[in-house]
Amino acid sequence: AQSVTQLGSHVSVSEGALVLLRCNYSSSVPPYLFWYVQYPNQGLQLLLKYTSAATLVKGINGFEAEFKKSETSFHLTKPSAHMSDAAEYFCAVSYGGSQGNLIFGKGTKLSVKP
Amino acid sequence: DAMVIQNPRYQVTQFGKPVTLSCSQTLNHNVMYWYQQKSSQAPKLLFHYYDKDFNNEADTPDNFQSRRPNTSFCFLDIRSPGLGDAAMYLCATSRDYEGSGEQFFGPGTRLTVL
Repeated sequence: AQSVTQLGSHVSVSEGALVLLRCNYSSSVPPYLFWYVQYPNQGLQLLLKYTSAATLVKGINGFEAEFKKSETSFHLTKPSAHMSDAAEYFCAVSYGGSQGNLIFGKGTKLSVKP
Repeated sequence: DAMVIQNPRYQVTQFGKPVTLSCSQTLNHNVMYWYQQKSSQAPKLLFHYYDKDFNNEADTPDNFQSRRPNTSFCFLDIRSPGLGDAAMYLCATSRDYEGSGEQFFGPGTRLTVL
């Protein structure tokens, strides 16, 4: 079965520091890839998505992610963390078509220290 | 703005008392999904509709039912809520099975079972 692995259930950074959240998927077939953010008691908001166009994808709020087929990875980065970035982040994959359900990673909770 | 709306945002029910959660969408999407999300976990797909075709996940308990009377609305019925059903329930939509499978999420309904 396809799966998504997010390394680190909890990541803590200082304000202004680099944010790196890791995501690996298990498939030889490149999927569609997504990063969602969830603030407390809210739904999931799409940060960015990879759909086989450019491998470096820019999203909202200064986040970006790079698709690396050789590493089956889609890590999320932001050069400078802001307090408002504190949230839970989910990586998800889809293979499209009738089996195109999203497969989620377990999530990474990001804390930002002042 | 086109969106996914969930009502109510917070729902309290008693053990065993049926409860219905509501989702509506103005995106005119064909597919509507219901997820259950427990604390600090990834969303878990319960079922989805493609138009009026219902697709149940194999491990979704019979206690959970759904109705989609028209394109815009979808309901989640929990026939006899147990304490273990306390969770955030997320509704999501996608345009179609084709394409990337990007899903658009509502804000969620947090269910408390007393």
